[in-house]
Amino acid sequence: NAGVTQTPKFRVLKTGQSMTLLCAQDMNHEYMYWYRQDPGMGLRLIHYSVGEGTTAKGEVPDGYNVSRLKKQNFLLGLESAAPSQTSVYFCASRTQGETDTQYFGPGTRLTVL
Amino acid sequence: AQSVAQPEDQVNVAEGNPLTVKCTYSVSGNPYLFWYVQYPNRGLQFLLKYITGDNLVKGSYGFEAEFNKSQTSFHLKKPSALVSDSALYFCAVRRYFNDYKLSFGAGTTVTVRA
Repeated sequence: NAGVTQTPKFRVLKTGQSMTLLCAQDMNHEYMYWYRQDPGMGLRLIHYSVGEGTTAKGEVPDGYNVSRLKKQNFLLGLESAAPSQTSVYFCASRTQGETDTQYFGPGTRLTVL
Repeated sequence: AQSVAQPEDQVNVAEGNPLTVKCTYSVSGNPYLFWYVQYPNRGLQFLLKYITGDNLVKGSYGFEAEFNKSQTSFHLKKPSALVSDSALYFCAVRRYFNDYKLSFGAGTTVTVRA
């Protein structure tokens, strides 16, 4: 099992450009999450999904959109990137069990100039 | 509102000495508490969790954590730290049993010197 994978690992964008981050998991997990990590702020939830075809907003959803067309994939889109979106983005997934833990991908480092 | 607090940004210990990373929480009801570790340029890795039962929870790599309901704390401990334990540690809480989300603390950087 590859676990949770993220594509790409690094990206540099100019302000106003768009891009999509891909998260894939091969553990048949129901729930998937997108976080951003900024120094001194821990991880903040952007969007999450509790199943194929469903998405919901987290703590900091503005400027981002997501889609979960297939159970194994969770896409995070930036339609018009801003310097404030410079961050490290992590995807995570877990099963439905109430006590189950989240498994994290390796992260995508995004810089917006 | 933040549901977990990690009061120390950094913890420095000598190899072989005990390591403690502090976490306090503020949720109603019975919390589900977690510790994760992040090594440089890596994703988060699960260390241990408290759901119910014994207040002392044992996890990966020799770590353990003690749940203290009266003090609303869930401190991470290791009796004898290794240089390889140097990393960023996150405490997290699920606020209620059917909450889909975890709330993370800001993280504590642990440095273990040889």
